[in-house]
Amino acid sequence: KQEVTQIPAALSVPEGENLVLNCSFTDSAIYNLQWFRQDPGKGLTSLLLIQSSQREQTSGRLNASLDKSSGRSTLYIAASQPGDSATYLCAVLLNDMRFGAGTRLTVKP
Amino acid sequence: GAVVSQHPSRVICKSGTSVKIECRSLDFQATTMFWYRQFPKKSLMLMATSNEGSKATYEQGVEKDKFLINHASLTLSTLTVTSAHPEDSSFYICSAISPPGVKASTDTQYFGPGTRLTVL
Repeated sequence: KQEVTQIPAALSVPEGENLVLNCSFTDSAIYNLQWFRQDPGKGLTSLLLIQSSQREQTSGRLNASLDKSSGRSTLYIAASQPGDSATYLCAVLLNDMRFGAGTRLTVKP
Repeated sequence: GAVVSQHPSRVICKSGTSVKIECRSLDFQATTMFWYRQFPKKSLMLMATSNEGSKATYEQGVEKDKFLINHASLTLSTLTVTSAHPEDSSFYICSAISPPGVKASTDTQYFGPGTRLTVL
């Protein structure tokens, strides 16, 4: 059974700092891995999608990597801003989609 | 254990038929549920926000007459794909928000396992 774990559960950083969020999964047989942003009371916003054959994806200040053999993915956020404050979720897809519990990020001005 | 269920998990239907997918919050009441769709090899896309007792709010580009959403109770939302066609084949997933203090200190979004729809 696929299990997805995110570390840390919460993170607070000063504005401008670079940071890394971690995601691990137990079954490496996945179609893809996605990183999402969740704002309170709102639906998910997709940030980055990495296919199983890919190693990383970049979008603006965000970079996500995937190491399928070790069951790990990282989301790197450069030059963090207060507007980045949100909960970040990773999810893996095979026969169904499994989500991590999320990392609640707070970026202080 | 699971806190949000979806039924069915898989469905195969003929073109032109309608398919109903149920999303249930199992141990909490959810005033807000979300419906997502994932195209093959593409990212999850928010389709609509389902609010109990009122009309759903659809994202831009999502046909509300095609994808009917009914949030009839605080534990059940349904998505009906009307007159389904092969291009509607996709993975549909729902989520429900648990209010603060019910399952966690803050409002938390829980996801169903998804429904794989194949339209022949």
